[in-house]
Amino acid sequence: AQKVTQAQTEISVVEKEDVTLDCVYETRDTTYYLFWYKQPPSGELVFLIRRNSFDEQNEISGRYSWNFQKSTSSFNFTITASQVVDSAVYFCALSGHYTGGFKTIFGAGTRLFVKA
Amino acid sequence: NAGVTQTPKFQVLKTGQSMTLQCAQDMNHNSMYWYRQDPGMGLRLIYYSASEGTTDKGEVPNGYNVSRLNKREFSLRLESAAPSQTSVYFCASSEAKGGGLGANVLTFGAGSRLTVL
Repeated sequence: AQKVTQAQTEISVVEKEDVTLDCVYETRDTTYYLFWYKQPPSGELVFLIRRNSFDEQNEISGRYSWNFQKSTSSFNFTITASQVVDSAVYFCALSGHYTGGFKTIFGAGTRLFVKA
Repeated sequence: NAGVTQTPKFQVLKTGQSMTLQCAQDMNHNSMYWYRQDPGMGLRLIYYSASEGTTDKGEVPNGYNVSRLNKREFSLRLESAAPSQTSVYFCASSEAKGGGLGANVLTFGAGSRLTVL
């Protein structure tokens, strides 16, 4: 069975602080994908990053960085110098293969508050 | 570029009533999905469809049925609505094949807020 755990329900930081959102996953698949999605207060769901199981290289995109470690089954997300606009719910997700395609399941989400 | 379109955006039902949520995508994606979002529960997969003509149960299928009408459309039906089905429903689609940049990335609709009294 697949499972995604985001243990942090809510995080509150002051603007310009760095913040790390944790994600731990479980899967028996050897090929799988990990994702982060953002849901701002407006409610839409926005894709941030995809990482496949064979690529453990960390990635940086502006103020965002992701740390994928298969040894600990974790895919953590760090926001450097947080801004008020980063306030949102962030979801970690895991996609595994089934007949004909892939199925994606989500963690419960971490709500991030960035205060000015 | 409409992407994924869901209708209706809001709906109030009485217990026992039925309704269908409609979803259409114009990106020629093979796979489509229905999720529900509840506070503290994240997004839970209700049903998914790998391709036209196929559907499979997700994590929480009870009380729902789906129809993959064609490649573009994937509807979700509540035959006898219950208060426990009060939620925000999201439809999504993805290109499931291969390892290309877009593979597996979900594009979501704007959501449908359903209240069952």
